[in-house]
Amino acid sequence: RKEVEQDPGPFNVPEGATVAFNCTYSNSASQSFFWYRQDCRKEPKLLMSVYSSGNEDGRFTAQLNRASQYISLLIRDSKLSDSATYLCVVRSGGYQKVTFGIGTKLQVIP
Amino acid sequence: DTAVSQTPKYLVTQMGNDKSIKCEQNLGHDTMYWYKQDSKKFLKIMFSYNNKELIINETVPNRFSPKSPDKAHLNLHINSLELGDSAVYFCASSQPGTSGGMETQYFGPGTRLLVL
Repeated sequence: RKEVEQDPGPFNVPEGATVAFNCTYSNSASQSFFWYRQDCRKEPKLLMSVYSSGNEDGRFTAQLNRASQYISLLIRDSKLSDSATYLCVVRSGGYQKVTFGIGTKLQVIP
Repeated sequence: DTAVSQTPKYLVTQMGNDKSIKCEQNLGHDTMYWYKQDSKKFLKIMFSYNNKELIINETVPNRFSPKSPDKAHLNLHINSLELGDSAVYFCASSQPGTSGGMETQYFGPGTRLLVL
């Protein structure tokens, strides 16, 4: 089983739609969780950290389910500019060891 | 005032050559990383340094040798380049202990390496 698993997609959704991505992780001792965004031919950038109680940033909501070992990202009212690959990131174990998922590609269609 | 910079941005070279990629960060971070993103877009950590000391060394061929002359710089030297080394190499930095353990990694723009 991979340390961090994501559905690579692509997810093709119309503008204004709500879309959700899940990510599962294998190490129950994982400590920190993040969603990063990567645009085509660009570097990854932090979208949001995922807190135990869940957190929201505008149209984006992140949730953590430790019992089932997954995190989720919900995007409401999708914009064309949301088209990107969304990377699930998990920090666990030793010093600054982070593992990236393969990413889920989102394409928002006009 | 780029936070994490890498040079070169593109690198095209022949198999068997030796090449270096340089990375610099001006964020004052203690930790720096090298990642490899292959053609399948999978981003995998290669090395991590904290204050010039190697702390993470994933299963990487010993043809890859990182060097950190100071905590603001982390260079990557690759010997005897192979076709399979073709990928995008990203440098990143972070400051451990910030934000309650939720420290952000800041990535450089990437170096696109093509081995012919």
